Order: sequence, then structure tokens, then C-alpha cells
Amino acid sequence: AQTVTQSQPEMSVQEAETVTLSCTYDTSESDYYLFWYKQPPSRQMILVIRQEAYKQQNATENRFSVNFQKAAKSFSLKISDSQLGDAAMYFCAYREYGNKLVFGAGTILRVKS
Amino acid sequence: EAGVTQFPSHSVIEKGQTVTLRCDPISGHDNLYWYRRVMGKEIKFLLHFVKESKQDESGMPNNRFLAERTGGTYSTLKVQPAELEDSGVYFCASSPSRPSGGRGELFFGEGSRLTVL
Repeated sequence: AQTVTQSQPEMSVQEAETVTLSCTYDTSESDYYLFWYKQPPSRQMILVIRQEAYKQQNATENRFSVNFQKAAKSFSLKISDSQLGDAAMYFCAYREYGNKLVFGAGTILRVKS
Repeated sequence: EAGVTQFPSHSVIEKGQTVTLRCDPISGHDNLYWYRRVMGKEIKFLLHFVKESKQDESGMPNNRFLAERTGGTYSTLKVQPAELEDSGVYFCASSPSRPSGGRGELFFGEGSRLTVL
């Protein structure tokens, strides 16, 4: 079964600084999606960034970027110029087409002003 | 376009009672998922509908949980009778089928918080 591991239960970052959240996964498939979702205290899960496994280029969305290492099965999220609004629980997730999303345990990100 | 909506947002019931949670997916999304997060633990998959059919129900904890998706539109998740360990946040998500578009992600509702006393 596919598994997703987030080894950092909690991280802190100073406002305007950069932080990297780690994620590793286990799969025998070659075609899949990887995601980072953000869950603020208001509870709704919001997509931050997606990566398709067949694409070698790392995805970027404004201040958010990933470091996708397919051979190492690693998918880290870098948040640049951190803002107070970035404070949330971040979930790394894996999905094969048509199948369920498998989540990691989550990382609480605290942003200090 | 309306997002995924869930009702109720919070339900408090006594052990042994019944609760029904409802999810309205994004219009046109064939795939509908239920997930649960028990306090402090991981988000766990419960089941997956494709239209009105159960594609994967491997995550349903036991037969006290019953999910339906009549007509392939909204879905309900009934817990009967509820136990203390059923407390948590129940999330619903939807996604389109690939021929209809979409880029693989699931769209989530705000969740229904269930408290069993």
C-alpha cells in the first residue's frame, strides 16, 4: 500500500523567511500525482501546489515551490517570504489516477512576527 | 461555482444515537470521497463513489457506517449507533473524471465535526 511520511510534526518560521517542509512517500507506480494541501484553522482543505510524476520540472506557485526527487521518492515544499497567513497544518498527499488521496500525518507551521 | 458543501458543520450526539452527515459535491463531479480525521491523528480514507457506485469502501471502519449516493449527486454518511471513538471531523471531497477535465486534485468541503458524548 502507498504510504506518505511527514517527519516534522511542527515547524516554525520567522515572517519573511523561508521554510521547507519534508515529505517522503512509498509507491511502486510510475504515474501518480503529489500534492500539498493547507488546512487553516477554519478547517477547509486548500490545494497549495500539485506535481505530476511524469514531469521532471519542479512545480511552482508564487511563493510556493517543491523539490520533487522521484528516484528518492521525496517531495518537499518550500515557502518563501513567509507570511502570517501561511500558518496552518500542511498535508502532503499522494494519488494515483482515479484512486483515493493518501495523506501524510501533517506538519503544523507556525509563523512568528 | 459552488464548492463542496457539507452539513451539519458540527453535531453533538449521545453514544448510541444516530447521525447523518450530508455532502453536496461540485456539480458535475463524478467522484466523491469521504475521509475522517480523529483528533490529533491522520486523515483516513473511508470510501469512494464513482457516480452512484461504491468504487472503494476499504476504509469504512465497521458496519455501523453506511454511505449512500443516490442518483450520483449528493451523498450521506450515516453512523448508527454512534460510539465515542467515532468523534472527529468528517471530510467530503469531489473530483471530476479525467475526460471531463481536472488535474488530479480533490476539492474538499469544510468538514462536519462529530462529537459523541
